[in-house]
Amino acid sequence: SQTIHQWPATLVQPVGSPLSLECTVEGTSNPNLYWYRQAAGRGLQLLFYSVGIGQISSEVPQNLSASRPQDRQFILSSKKLLLSDSGFYLCAWSVRGTRGAEKLFFGSGTQLSVL
Amino acid sequence: GQQVMQIPQYQHVQEGEDFTTYCNSSTTLSNIQWYKQRPGGHPVFLIQLVKSGEVKKQKRLTFQFGEAKKNSSLHITATQTTDVGTYFCAGQGGKLIFGQGTELSVKP
Repeated sequence: SQTIHQWPATLVQPVGSPLSLECTVEGTSNPNLYWYRQAAGRGLQLLFYSVGIGQISSEVPQNLSASRPQDRQFILSSKKLLLSDSGFYLCAWSVRGTRGAEKLFFGSGTQLSVL
Repeated sequence: GQQVMQIPQYQHVQEGEDFTTYCNSSTTLSNIQWYKQRPGGHPVFLIQLVKSGEVKKQKRLTFQFGEAKKNSSLHITATQTTDVGTYFCAGQGGKLIFGQGTELSVKP
């Protein structure tokens, strides 16, 4: 069966420090991968999605970047964190080829606090 | 651009009462999905509706997709404390856009 791993679960970082969140999917090949942010425990904002290695689409301009160095690995990064980057970050995957009708399977999330 | 609005934002019910959350899209959707997020957890896929006027049931949960494929609802009959959480709709019209969610609390 497919599983998605996301770490760390919680992270406290000072303003101006770098960020690296990692997500890996097991049990499937060529998944679509996504990074979402959930501010204040509410709505989900799509940050990035990827349909393949090295293929990244950014949904909103921001202080963050994403990379997909391997088929089942998705990384969210920042060179210098801002206070506004605080939030709950969720990685998700869907079956490849279903863009337009994808069902998302989310990781357990990372609660990021920037102080 | 495409927008998905969900109401109400919060709903507090007594255990045993019914609960409904509504989702409206600014554009016609190809499908709509519903997710549940327990407190402190991550969203979990519940169901996908594709056809105009479609109705699906999962035990005490009833999901409807409007005839015009622009709105949807989730109805829970006789709520239980295990139903607590935030329910999100997500409309697909090209992109998958999430509603803001309805947070359900159930008083025993």
